[in-house]
Amino acid sequence: SQQGEEDPQALSIQEGENATMNCSYKTSINNLQWYRQNSGRGLVHLILIRSNEREKHSGRLRVTLDTSKKSSSLLITASRAADTASYFCATSPYNQGGKLIFGQGTELSVKP
Amino acid sequence: NAGVTQTPKFQVLKTGQSMTLQCAQDMNHEYMSWYRQDPGMGLRLIHYSVGAGITDQGEVPNGYNVSRSTTEDFPLRLLSAAPSQTSVYFCASSYSTSGRETQYFGPGTRLLVL
Repeated sequence: SQQGEEDPQALSIQEGENATMNCSYKTSINNLQWYRQNSGRGLVHLILIRSNEREKHSGRLRVTLDTSKKSSSLLITASRAADTASYFCATSPYNQGGKLIFGQGTELSVKP
Repeated sequence: NAGVTQTPKFQVLKTGQSMTLQCAQDMNHEYMSWYRQDPGMGLRLIHYSVGAGITDQGEVPNGYNVSRSTTEDFPLRLLSAAPSQTSVYFCASSYSTSGRETQYFGPGTRLLVL
């Protein structure tokens, strides 16, 4: 079964707006990661946040993690058309070495 | 560095045929894995390996075999293809032997089973 569930499934915004995607998971984790997938391509790692961290930044990306609610959010500020892609969260379950479990993804469309 | 490479990019099989999807990485990563991606299902882990000679099952291993004879290569074998195996297959590798850290993905192989 899927560990992560993402919300919304699809998001359409204008260039310059902020985009927020959410991820919920079920079990205790070592870390949570966000990946981007452009259409027809492989996944690219964006950011990793560990279970003892609450917030992390990388350029225009801001990730938060609330382990008490078992949820995370990815904020992309000042979106660009090039940010159009699918975004996936992936969790590393605490007692399951060797596995990353992916959510179903959020499809982001940024219109110029 | 080429990173993670996969061949072929696209393959059509008939039900019952066998084939091997190739995956190679040149980053000296111990950890390698195979996922399949289906519409609306995200990525599901098929098999993974934490080093040469060591493999283990993921979430959806049935119908697939793997072996790891070298650090660089991690082929995925379909012994008797079924239409349910129509999917996009991704190989990934990680510098972390636990597989818990950043994973680097290949470009994928699109497989159609008729």
